[in-house]
Amino acid sequence: DGGITQSPKYLFRKEGQNVTLSCEQNLNHDAMYWYRQDPGQGLRLIYYSQIVNDFQKGDIAEGYSVSREKKESFPLTVTSAQKNPTAFYLCASSSDRYEQYFGPGTRLTVT
Amino acid sequence: GENVEQHPSTLSVQEGDSAVIKCTYSDSASNYFPWYKQELGKGPQLIIDIRSNVGEKKDQRIAVTLNKTAKHFSLHITETQPEDSAVYFCAARIGGGSNYKLTFGKGTLLTVNP
Repeated sequence: DGGITQSPKYLFRKEGQNVTLSCEQNLNHDAMYWYRQDPGQGLRLIYYSQIVNDFQKGDIAEGYSVSREKKESFPLTVTSAQKNPTAFYLCASSSDRYEQYFGPGTRLTVT
Repeated sequence: GENVEQHPSTLSVQEGDSAVIKCTYSDSASNYFPWYKQELGKGPQLIIDIRSNVGEKKDQRIAVTLNKTAKHFSLHITETQPEDSAVYFCAARIGGGSNYKLTFGKGTLLTVNP
């Protein structure tokens, strides 16, 4: 099956710990994105990458880091510097500047 | 940057009725407008999109209209069914260059009552 996978579906961490969320796609898409979704809010862009070994900050990049070493993978690290890390995290990919396709999401809870 | 306003935030309709969700955008350079449907606990699913060189696009019971002069676009769902119940998001992309960024509205919770 072609698509975007995110793992795990649920993730629990203690405050002060870094955590890495996985995103993999087998759609051969060049661009990948990370969004954060909070209750009652739209999707806010954290980071995006248009090509391997290159990425740009989105609107809320503080406290997050990413890497893009392979076309298929775009992991997101939520660092201890992120003040409110509990949220639903969504990964997306696109083959051009238009349609973006989303993965199933990872719900992160930090206590 | 781009700002997208979406209304209403909640919408309740009877099965078989029509539903309309409206979005306005701020940047006249925006040229791509997708709509997404998100079911509880899942990722958003692209259901229809429109580019700025088109005024209307239809796909079965779903249609999107774009008014570039007024800078607003709308999602129309006809003959609603209970399975249409979800949160719907609009988005806009500013055109030009290598910009890949979408700006999203805050969503509309649509409830279709049987």
